[in-house]
Amino acid sequence: EAQVTQNPRYLITVTGKKLTVTCSQNMNHEYMSWYRQDPGLGLRQIYYSMNVEVTDKGDVPEGYKVSRKEKRNFPLILESPSPNQTSLYFCASSFRQGTTGELFFGEGSRLTVL
Amino acid sequence: AQSVTQLDSQVPVFEEAPVELRCNYSSSVSVYLFWYVQYPNQGLQLLLKYLSGSTLVESINGFEAEFNKSQTSFHLRKPSVHISDTAEYFCAVIEGTGRRALTFGSGTRLQVQP
Repeated sequence: EAQVTQNPRYLITVTGKKLTVTCSQNMNHEYMSWYRQDPGLGLRQIYYSMNVEVTDKGDVPEGYKVSRKEKRNFPLILESPSPNQTSLYFCASSFRQGTTGELFFGEGSRLTVL
Repeated sequence: AQSVTQLDSQVPVFEEAPVELRCNYSSSVSVYLFWYVQYPNQGLQLLLKYLSGSTLVESINGFEAEFNKSQTSFHLRKPSVHISDTAEYFCAVIEGTGRRALTFGSGTRLQVQP
C-alpha cells in the first residue's frame, strides 16, 4: 500500500530535549516536505527536499533541521524544542515538486512541548 | 507572492442541504488550484484540482469547484451534503513559476448536522 508513515504520532516532551520525527514514503517520490498545522493558520511549510541531499527552507524553518540521506526518508529534527513548537506536524511527498500539486500526506504527529 | 484566503473558519449545515466553501487567492502569475480534505485524525487528501482547461472540476464524491479568474476565486460546492462530509477543507494554490510550493489557506471546518 502506498503511504507516508510518520513516527511518533503523539509526543509530549520538555523544553530543550532534542527529538526527531521520522517520515518514510514507499512511493519512490523525489519531493518531500514538512508542514506544521496550527489553528487558524492552516498548514505552513517548514522545510522541503527536491531529492536526495537537496533540502531548502520553507516559510517557517526556525528551530528545525532536516536531512535527506535516502530517497524514502526525511526526518524532522528539533534540536532544542520550545513551547511555540507545540503543533501538529505533517510530512508529505510527491513525485516531483509543483507539477500537479498532489501531495500525499502522513497521518500527522502531534507534538506538545512543556 | 501567492496567498489564499478562506473567509469562513466554520460552516455548519444540515444534512442534504447545499453548501459552498469560499476560497480566494492572490497571485501575479498563472496558478494551479486545489482543494484538500482532512477527516478527523487523518492527514490531508486531495479532493480536486484545477490545472487548465474546463474551469469547472469535479470530485468523485459529488463536490465541484469553479475557477473564476476575474474574481480570483475557487469556491467549493456540493448540492447535498452527507454526515460523512464532516471534515476540514483546505484550499491551496501553486504558482506556475518560482519555487512552486503549495500555499494553503487557513481551512474551513464543515460540520454536517442530522
